[in-house]
Amino acid sequence: AAGVIQSPRHLIKEKRETATLKCYPIPRHDTVYWYQQGPGQDPQFLISFYEKMQSDKGSIPDRFSAQQFSDYHSELNMSSLELGDSALYFCASSFAGLEGAAYEQYFGPGTRLTVT
Amino acid sequence: AQSVTQLGSHVSVSEGALVLLRCNYSSSVPPYLFWYVQYPNQGLQLLLKYTSAATLVKGINDFEAEFKKSETSFHLTKPSAHMSDAAEYFCAVSSSNTGKLIFGQGTTLQVKP
Repeated sequence: AAGVIQSPRHLIKEKRETATLKCYPIPRHDTVYWYQQGPGQDPQFLISFYEKMQSDKGSIPDRFSAQQFSDYHSELNMSSLELGDSALYFCASSFAGLEGAAYEQYFGPGTRLTVT
Repeated sequence: AQSVTQLGSHVSVSEGALVLLRCNYSSSVPPYLFWYVQYPNQGLQLLLKYTSAATLVKGINDFEAEFKKSETSFHLTKPSAHMSDAAEYFCAVSSSNTGKLIFGQGTTLQVKP
């Protein structure tokens, strides 16, 4: 079965540079979530989109922005990168339209961002 | 506000022994609860979920969890541990509005031969 695709899988950037992470949800899924997982930490919710509209916002820095496009893929844009942004970034998708789906989220493999 | 607490950041069991990973939640509304497993350098894989139906939930690889409202718990169990079960396990609660997941701190399961 098709899974969530994230690209790139690994990314190395320098401080103050920008980065763009991409997420391709499972076909027919209408909701995308972004999470950040620091070393040895639990995943922290950043932002989510439902039907191309922002549906929720968590602890996402103002330097970060995201959107969901007409084909439902999503991009997380990160500017003025800091050392503390080094983390694993997960995208997850779900189908919110189905009663009883209980927001079951399927996670991608993650993008490991290293800021030097 | 919703939150999850996982008791024990590290659990070590012998191969073939019972696995018990503890999770307590706090939620002002009926919660959706999940257990995810994460292998090193990989994404999170859903083990099982509670959606207000049966309180005993069966998942993949013989894992199961029981929702106990009176104890606000959702502990994960497996009758017999395998070496391949060694991983990080996360309990999570979902917001009923938008579905965002709030994770516990995680429990590292070590399986000794």
